[in-house]
Amino acid sequence: GDSVTQMEGPVTLSEEAFLTINCTYTATGYPSLFWYVQYPGEGLQLLLKATKADDKGSNKGFEATYRKETTSFHLEKGSVQVSDSAVYFCALSPNSGNTPLVFGKGTRLSVIA
Amino acid sequence: GAVVSQHPSRVICKSGTSVKIECRSLDFQATTMFWYRQFPKQSLMLMATSNEGSKATYEQGVEKDKFLINHASLTLSTLTVTSAHPEDSSFYICSARDLSGTDTQYFGPGTRLTVL
Repeated sequence: GDSVTQMEGPVTLSEEAFLTINCTYTATGYPSLFWYVQYPGEGLQLLLKATKADDKGSNKGFEATYRKETTSFHLEKGSVQVSDSAVYFCALSPNSGNTPLVFGKGTRLSVIA
Repeated sequence: GAVVSQHPSRVICKSGTSVKIECRSLDFQATTMFWYRQFPKQSLMLMATSNEGSKATYEQGVEKDKFLINHASLTLSTLTVTSAHPEDSSFYICSARDLSGTDTQYFGPGTRLTVL
């Protein structure tokens, strides 16, 4: 079945460092891909998405490109801030009606000043 | 963007009582909503798929008699934890998929349940 694998955390970075969180997927067909962010004690917020190959999703300085050839959707940010500290989830949505998202296990990011 | 609300955000109850959690899609209609459970520092575990006007579909290992789901309208689904026990303490999150335009799944802010 469909699955998402993302890098294990926790990831600890200094402020203004470059961030990469790797995400790869296995799916039949052509899924949509998402990154969600969860701040402490809160629910999940959609960070960015891409619906087809070579699409780039971007939001709040974060970017991820849908790479079909490598089945990847790595999350990047050029300069992280303390406020970016959160858990990041990579997810895919099979493009077939009302099916739930398939999540990776999440990567905890801590940014220190 | 689309918003999904949950109520209550936190609830503390005694063992043996029942707790109802509401999930509402505020600006779109959702024929299907999803209920997740999240343990500390772990990913989300899908519990069930709530279908408007019909029975919910439960994931393997989730007791349907313990976690009652009702999806009475296109904007409201409820999860009732019956005869709650301390092991039911968890963070419960609902989500709804907006199939119109954005085709994106939006999440509620979650409900922290503590059973004493």
